[in-house]
Amino acid sequence: GAGVSQTPSNKVTEKGKYVELRCDPISGHTALYWYRQSLGQGPEFLIYFQGTGAADDSGLPNDRFFAVRPEGSVSTLKIQRTERGDSAVYLCASSYTSTGELFFGEGSRLTVL
Amino acid sequence: AQSVTQLDSHVSVSEGTPVLLRCNYSSSYSPSLFWYVQHPNKGLQLLLKYTSAATLVKGINGFEAEFKKSETSFHLTKPSAHMSDAAEYFCVVSLPSGTYKYIFGTGTRLKVLA
Repeated sequence: GAGVSQTPSNKVTEKGKYVELRCDPISGHTALYWYRQSLGQGPEFLIYFQGTGAADDSGLPNDRFFAVRPEGSVSTLKIQRTERGDSAVYLCASSYTSTGELFFGEGSRLTVL
Repeated sequence: AQSVTQLDSHVSVSEGTPVLLRCNYSSSYSPSLFWYVQHPNKGLQLLLKYTSAATLVKGINGFEAEFKKSETSFHLTKPSAHMSDAAEYFCVVSLPSGTYKYIFGTGTRLKVLA
């Protein structure tokens, strides 16, 4: 079976532009997470979905960041008015339950010029 | 506040020699602890996890870790390093135990010398 799929794998954009990053979790996994990994750091929690709803978005750094999961499967992380500091690898993970093992995608590397 | 500290940012070992990657956690609760490995351009993969059962946890690829509450440590070991073990390793804590909110350490890059 397929693992967690993230697209695009690489995205280069200019400061001020809008970006969407997509995550397709493992089929049947109800829990979905977004993390951000900056260079030389461990992943940092952004947001957690249980089904269609964002159960915890306390890790989103500011209101330029938003994520949706309208049908409880695919999720999109949206970043408005990108800044150079947003450059990082954005990781998506899913799990069968909220306390189960996380399965990570390979990440989307975002570079803001 | 809960946190996890990986004591070494880089570790180098020779192939066939033991591996020790150190991790200490800070918690007021009984934690769940994990080790993940990240190979270049690959997703994070779970090596092993501790969830309050046996304190010595065996994982994949010959790795194991021991939970020591008195030392608040969860060090990762392997008796004999292989070239394919070269990667970044992350110690992770989930607090309170069993919740979704994972806190990652800053990572230890393991280099294996031929």
